[in-house]
Amino acid sequence: EVQLVQSGAEVKKPGESLKISCKGSGYSFTSYWIGWVRQMPGKGLEWMGIIYPGDSDTRYSPSFQGQVTISADKSISTAYLQWSSLKASDTAMYYCARLDEAAAGTDYWGQGTLVTVSS
Amino acid sequence: SYELTQPPSVSVSPGQTARITCSGDALPKKYAYWYQQKSGQAPVLVIYEDSKRPSGIPERFSGSSSGTMATLTISGAQVEDEADYYCYSTDSSGIIWGVFGGGTKLTVL
Repeated sequence: EVQLVQSGAEVKKPGESLKISCKGSGYSFTSYWIGWVRQMPGKGLEWMGIIYPGDSDTRYSPSFQGQVTISADKSISTAYLQWSSLKASDTAMYYCARLDEAAAGTDYWGQGTLVTVSS
Repeated sequence: SYELTQPPSVSVSPGQTARITCSGDALPKKYAYWYQQKSGQAPVLVIYEDSKRPSGIPERFSGSSSGTMATLTISGAQVEDEADYYCYSTDSSGIIWGVFGGGTKLTVL
């Protein structure tokens, strides 16, 4: 069974750093793109970027380029989303999702990680 | 930038057919995907490649695409189908990931 299990909720202060994770299981982790999606409170879904764990090829949405870092450790089948300096506007739910074989859409999603940034 | 347009809301009574549309210029050439997101939960894939249904998704969910519009149809909508629905597709630029529509709130009551 394909599963994406994300790390737990985080509460941080502005300016702090953070790294959240997404562990894949039940499939060949290195053979599928993994993406990160932001959902701000009461809003829709936004792509942030994607990574191919097989060779760490990473692409960022222009809106998120330079704001976050996406990485993966294929030895433990885990993808990461990282901030070096959080802002209050980063408060949101973050989902990881696997792109399907054709990379035309996503087929499996993680349960989400709620990040709250507040002083 | 590429956009997919959905109606903000659709409302039906239980047992009626709900149709949610998604329009985008590249839809004649690109597949549409549909996701259901219930309150407080992660999105779930309900239709892929315009009209295919993943295992475990009820048969009342179906999809179609014609020209620049894709449609999600829920035949005999049930109260438990009340959720936000998002379409997704890619544009013609070659970027691997696509865009999500703005979402449609389906109310069944």
